[in-house]
Amino acid sequence: DAGVIQSPRHEVTEMGQEVTLRCKPISGHDYLFWYRQTMMRGLELLIYFNNNVPIDDSGMPEDRFSAKMPNASFSTLKIQPSEPRDSAVYFCASSFTTGPNHFGNGTRLTVT
Amino acid sequence: QKEVEQNSGPLSVPEGAIASLNCTYSDRGSQSFFWYRQYSGKSPELIMFIYSNGDKEDGRFTAQLNKASQYVSLLIRDSQPSDSATYLCAVNMGFGNEKLTFGTGTRLTIIP
Repeated sequence: DAGVIQSPRHEVTEMGQEVTLRCKPISGHDYLFWYRQTMMRGLELLIYFNNNVPIDDSGMPEDRFSAKMPNASFSTLKIQPSEPRDSAVYFCASSFTTGPNHFGNGTRLTVT
Repeated sequence: QKEVEQNSGPLSVPEGAIASLNCTYSDRGSQSFFWYRQYSGKSPELIMFIYSNGDKEDGRFTAQLNKASQYVSLLIRDSQPSDSATYLCAVNMGFGNEKLTFGTGTRLTIIP
């Protein structure tokens, strides 16, 4: 079991640029979650999918954020255009129906 | 009012003593409760979960749940320096386990 795999581990970009974060969930897990963690706000759920279908995106902060899950083994979180206040650690997690979330190693995003 | 509240700490405990971490939640319909440990710069790691009122023990860790009072706690016996981390309480606010709301975490330091 390779765990949840996220890429890149670190991303530094300039304001206004497009950022794409990637996630491969644990095989067989049917739920996928995107979280954002900052010192000020802690760990926040942005969006989650069940069987590749978005279920709740109420945590997505603005229209600049979008997420897709084209198949059971891949998801992306896109920010366009990026802003300095988007700087945070973004975690992807997956779970099997009634199980707890298993987190990836995260992507540390810095927008200058 | 935050949905899941934790004392941010820092909480300092001598090595070998019992560390007690507390969490309160607002939704009486919450079904599942999780404790995650997060080392600095790392991703959250599941320690324990509890669904029913009472105590659940796993090694040096005990989770306690009181639904009437809407609190859940984590006890760490025989605290070790390696237990120094931030502990996140997470609560399922819906019917199943698929969506978790996290507290902001309690930073625990074990003093040798």
